[in-house]
Amino acid sequence: GPKVLQIPSHQIIDMGQMVTLNCDPVSNHLYFYWYKQILGQQMEFLVNFYNGKVMEKSKLFKDQFSVERPDGSYFTLKIQPTALEDSAVYFCASSLQGNNQAPLFGEGTRLSVL
Amino acid sequence: GQQVQQSPASLVLQEGENAELQCNFSSTATRLQWFYQRPGGSLVSLLSNPSGTKHTGRLTSTTVTKERRGSLHISSSQITDSGTYLCAMERSTNTGKLTFGDGTVLTVKP
Repeated sequence: GPKVLQIPSHQIIDMGQMVTLNCDPVSNHLYFYWYKQILGQQMEFLVNFYNGKVMEKSKLFKDQFSVERPDGSYFTLKIQPTALEDSAVYFCASSLQGNNQAPLFGEGTRLSVL
Repeated sequence: GQQVQQSPASLVLQEGENAELQCNFSSTATRLQWFYQRPGGSLVSLLSNPSGTKHTGRLTSTTVTKERRGSLHISSSQITDSGTYLCAMERSTNTGKLTFGDGTVLTVKP
């Protein structure tokens, strides 16, 4: 079946560096999401994206975060600069509709900020 | 306070027993969605319904929106059912944003 692919599966970087997490959503999906899950804690919404724009973002989506999907390629989450508290698993998800439809989640990218 | 609360936090069953997972939410929700999170972390969508009861295989999801509660029933549990079950609430914002609970960790023993 269709899958959301996330690259890489694990990223290790030094605090203060920039990191870009890549997501390849399902090809005909229109809504894209990032969620953050710190180890052993709750899955938390970061941001959603539709028609080239951010629709809604949470307070976890700090000024250092940005998302884009240039020309239908990867949907990316960029963090610049990174902080220790950014260490978490970041899940990308996509859906065809904006509501009333369970999004399809990727396997996650584990980000370790040292 | 937490918008989505799940209970119990953990549950241990013998293979073949049934499980009842609860989800309570504090805000008006248009839909509850249940996910299974594998030990490796990835999420699988199980059931999604705005209200009433929905079945798939050994799973039954019941949502009573006006009472702000829902449940997931797993019948005849199997060892492979072990993992974390997440309840997520969707509100009528048309953005698809989900608010998750902390999850119920299910362990099924042989």
